[in-house]
Amino acid sequence: EDQVTQSPEALRLQEGESSSLNCSYTVSGLRGLFWYRQDPGKGPEFLFTLYSAGEEKEKERLKATLTKKESFLHITAPKPEDSATYLCAVQGYQGGKLIFGQGTELSVKP
Amino acid sequence: EAQVTQNPRYLITVTGKKLTVTCSQNMNHEYMSWYRQDPGLGLRQIYYSMNVEVTDKGDVPEGYKVSRKEKRNFPLILESPSPNQTSLYFCASSPDAGTEAFFGQGTRLTVV
Repeated sequence: EDQVTQSPEALRLQEGESSSLNCSYTVSGLRGLFWYRQDPGKGPEFLFTLYSAGEEKEKERLKATLTKKESFLHITAPKPEDSATYLCAVQGYQGGKLIFGQGTELSVKP
Repeated sequence: EAQVTQNPRYLITVTGKKLTVTCSQNMNHEYMSWYRQDPGLGLRQIYYSMNVEVTDKGDVPEGYKVSRKEKRNFPLILESPSPNQTSLYFCASSPDAGTEAFFGQGTRLTVV
C-alpha cells in the first residue's frame, strides 16, 4: 500500500536558521512526488514536482531533493513569511491516487 | 484567470439532507479530485477522475458520490450527510495525473 510519512510534525526555527523537512514514502512505481505549502484556512499551493531519484529543484530559499525512499525539503535562511504547513504527496503509476503525508507545521520566529 | 472554483465556501446542514458541493476549473485539465482535511489526519483523497466519465475511489470514498459528465465540472454529492462528514473539503485539478495540482479555496462543511 502506498504510504507517506512526514517528519517532524512541527518545527520551530529562528529567522535565518536553516533546516530540513523529511518525507519518507513507499509506492509501487513512482509517477511523481509533490511538495505543497498550505497557509491556515487556504488550499495547498504547489511548490515542486520530483520524478526520479537524484533529482533536485530550487525556488528562492527552498530546495527539494529525492531518493528512492525519501525526499527532503531544505529551507535556507528562512524568514517569518515561510511559516506554513508543508505537505508532501506521492502518486504511483498504478491508478491515479494521490497520497498526502500529514504535513510539517513550520514556524519561523523573527 | 486560471482557477478552481468551489461553492459554497461555508455550509451548515442537518443530518440526512442531501447536498452537492460544486467544483469547476477553467484550465482544461484532465485530472480532478476531491479531498477532505481533518485535524491530525491530514489531507485525504475522496474520489478522483482522470478523464470525462472516468472516476475512481480514493482512500475515503464512503458516503460520497461524484460525477464527471464534462471536463470542467466535478461535483461532490453527499446523499445522506452525517456528523462525521463535518470537515474542510478541497477540490483540485491537474493537467494530467503526475502533474501539479491547483486547489480550490475550500468548503467548510458542518453537519449537525
